Amino acid sequence: DIQMTQSPSSLSASVGDRVTITCRASQSVTNYLNWYQQKPGKAPKLLIYAASSLQSGVPSRFSGSGSGTDFTLTINSLQPEDFATYYCQQSYNTPRTFGPGTKVDIK
Amino acid sequence: QVQLVQSGAELKRPGASVKVSCKAAGYTFINYGINWVRQAPGQGLEWMGWISAYNGNTKYSQNLQGRVTMTTDTSTSTAQMELRSLGSDDTAIYYCARDATYDMSGHFDYWGQGTLVTVSS
Repeated sequence: DIQMTQSPSSLSASVGDRVTITCRASQSVTNYLNWYQQKPGKAPKLLIYAASSLQSGVPSRFSGSGSGTDFTLTINSLQPEDFATYYCQQSYNTPRTFGPGTKVDIK
Repeated sequence: QVQLVQSGAELKRPGASVKVSCKAAGYTFINYGINWVRQAPGQGLEWMGWISAYNGNTKYSQNLQGRVTMTTDTSTSTAQMELRSLGSDDTAIYYCARDATYDMSGHFDYWGQGTLVTVSS
């Protein structure tokens, strides 16, 4: 199985900050890397797919980059509605695996 | 618009089985697959498996092999997941999620609202 790790596990930030979350795969997933946002009590929501493609309807302040084993999710100018937990996920092979999550809360 | 509407919360005894349904609307059901993902209380996301709504092909997580069965009913655009021999560690919110492609090569672009399954004596 491909193991996914994320750093940091949590971070505190202020509205307007630029936030960067890193995801690492235990082996290459080429660009089969997706990012999801989950708010308490809600289902996850797709933000970025194929490492850098923005899902329809997602604000452009979200962006993704990387390939192979190292990936980054960046949120430019953090908004109040962005405080949530973020998960990376590989769709390169099965079992599909998720990172442990990064919780972004208010400083 | 695309919607996945799941069945309601369940309380089950240890050793019992549970079936969770996921009714799709707003798209052509057979053109996509359905994944099942679960989340234990306060924990991360665990992929359980995938089913093609086109031909019923399945791929299950080895962790659940033998205990899980996924099916689809194209006449009602509904996917169903059955989990057997429940234990307390199966207590979780169960989500269905549409695979963005029919052949399981995509991301999960739409999610159901989740179904809480509680296993307790």
